[in-house]
Amino acid sequence: EAGVTQFPSHSVIEKGQTVTLRCDPISGHDNLYWYRRVMGKEIKFLLHFVKESKQDESGMPNNRFLAERTGGTYSTLKVQPAELEDSGVYFCASSQRGLAIEQFFGPGTRLTVL
Amino acid sequence: GQNIDQPTEMTATEGAIVQINCTYQTSGFNGLFWYQQHAGEAPTFLSYNVLDGLEEKGRFSSFLSRSKGYSYLLLKELQMKDSASYLCAVRDSNYQLIWGAGTKLIIKP
Repeated sequence: EAGVTQFPSHSVIEKGQTVTLRCDPISGHDNLYWYRRVMGKEIKFLLHFVKESKQDESGMPNNRFLAERTGGTYSTLKVQPAELEDSGVYFCASSQRGLAIEQFFGPGTRLTVL
Repeated sequence: GQNIDQPTEMTATEGAIVQINCTYQTSGFNGLFWYQQHAGEAPTFLSYNVLDGLEEKGRFSSFLSRSKGYSYLLLKELQMKDSASYLCAVRDSNYQLIWGAGTKLIIKP
């Protein structure tokens, strides 16, 4: 069974540009989460989808970040326009329906904003 | 505010035992998790505690004391491949995971 995949693995962009990150969860997983880890700091929750609905987006930093999960399958996280402080590793995780214990993480996308 | 503390780095010897501590202050508690993360890879789930006591899974054990806001991860018979970061996370009242910054474990021969 394929795990959680993320694309791209690395992205280097200039301040003011737009970047879209993609996450493909494990097939059949209703829950999808986005997290971010800024260098040297802890992982921070961004948002949680249950199927195509945003269950909790309280961790989204500001309105430059837009997440979607059309059809309840893969998800995208768009940053527009990107700022220097957006640099970090963006992780996606998925879990089975309900309050599943284990979240399965993708390898992350390392975003560098210059 | 919400806070999870764990040591930044620990060193241990191959074959030995190491205990990684985690203390937490969160708004609500719905379980404590330990994840392992090798450099450049995805975090992988190790253990889950929601009731006080010790959970054992092979060479790894995790302990929880809710009254003390304290947990530890115990790794026995250390192997070189155990060199990684170990992340403590608590699921709060909103069922969000609040993460510690991680403990980098270095295993020496």
